[in-house]
Amino acid sequence: DAKTTQPTSMDCAEGRAANLPCNHSTISGNEYVYWYRQIHSQGPQYIIHGLKNNETNEMASLIITEDRKSSTLILPHATLRDTAVYYCIVRGRNTNAGKSTFGDGTTLTVKP
Amino acid sequence: GAVVSQHPSRVICKSGTSVKIECRSLDFQATTMFWYRQFPKQSLMLMATSNEGSKATYEQGVEKDKFLINHASLTLSTLTVTSAHPEDSSFYICSALRWDRGHTEAFFGQGTRLTVV
Repeated sequence: DAKTTQPTSMDCAEGRAANLPCNHSTISGNEYVYWYRQIHSQGPQYIIHGLKNNETNEMASLIITEDRKSSTLILPHATLRDTAVYYCIVRGRNTNAGKSTFGDGTTLTVKP
Repeated sequence: GAVVSQHPSRVICKSGTSVKIECRSLDFQATTMFWYRQFPKQSLMLMATSNEGSKATYEQGVEKDKFLINHASLTLSTLTVTSAHPEDSSFYICSALRWDRGHTEAFFGQGTRLTVV
């Protein structure tokens, strides 16, 4: 699986948009970009994934650059409950590629 | 979304004893499940891939005789930590793969906090 790099930590004011970047310059053509988050002492929670087009769901938006070497997760209106470690992962779509390799992630702290 | 349940959520055991952790996919069948371990302030580390009806595949450095994995049905995988020692204390997390419209998606359990005393 392609390696990803993320900033170690970020702060965001409550109610503002949180933009979390991820670099994945070695991503291959059949690999998707996934984002998960882990709130303290819980299992990872799926947020969103994409291949090359921008994606949006009820939780977040995912912006993938045209060359697919980086992406940004956007939480449009961050709340205190969004404080968590956010992991960006790239992996293939088939069963054998289903295991996720977690990097160190970004610790997002949303402040009042 | 799909639900994966782990049991117990936390367990304390004495050194030398064995502990079994269950991972269940509640609303879908999973031929493949994964087991991760997470130490404090660290990321998740993949331990093994659990395949229904066959032997698990362990990552390098993970002792298969110490971490026994059984995936006897399409909705249940178990991880048994045998002869546990304090250094095995960790947060253990499973994930299950669901096949959906030509794409696999991984759903994670809530984790099991193991403390060996």
